[in-house]
Amino acid sequence: SQKIEQNSEALNIQEGKTATLTCNYTNYSPAYLQWYRQDPGRGPVFLLLIRENEKEKRKERLKVTFDTTLKQSLFHITASQPADSATYLCALSYNNNDMRFGAGTRLTVKP
Amino acid sequence: EAQVTQNPRYLITVTGKKLTVTCSQNMNHEYMSWYRQDPGLGLRQIYYSMNVEVTDKGDVPEGYKVSRKEKRNFPLILESPSPNQTSLYFCASSWGPEQFFGPGTRLTVL
Repeated sequence: SQKIEQNSEALNIQEGKTATLTCNYTNYSPAYLQWYRQDPGRGPVFLLLIRENEKEKRKERLKVTFDTTLKQSLFHITASQPADSATYLCALSYNNNDMRFGAGTRLTVKP
Repeated sequence: EAQVTQNPRYLITVTGKKLTVTCSQNMNHEYMSWYRQDPGLGLRQIYYSMNVEVTDKGDVPEGYKVSRKEKRNFPLILESPSPNQTSLYFCASSWGPEQFFGPGTRLTVL
């Protein structure tokens, strides 16, 4: 069966360091991989999308890589800040219909 | 402001008492969906709709109904709620892969 694993339930880092979150998947060949941010008590908010034929995408302090051979995506936040503390979700899909989410990684950035 | 709204935000009810959670979007999106979020399980899709009068089951549709009579609204109906439907529910809309989520409805069924 299809499985999406975000390999750390929680990640604690020091302010200014780079946070790296991992998303691994099995039995799936997604056309898109997305990362969302979710704050407590709020709905997820879209951050970045990367397509199966793209290796890397950047947006300000965020960087996503997508390795379809390893079936893995890495999500980096450089120069992290306490305001980056949140839960980050990865999501895979062929299209809108079949989006699958990982359980999320809770990131805490300490000052 | 572009947004997805849900009502109510919090609801405590009893087993068997029918309830409806409303969802509305003002972005003219064709695609809408409902998810439930449970600890350790992530977001799981309940139902989705590609357009008006077009709905289909997601991964966990049992015990739920939906309707799409207008483009902007996509209510979630629990005809006879049970305690295992206690969860955090999110509505989402989109025109492409990127989804816009509502603020969530925390439902407790006693």
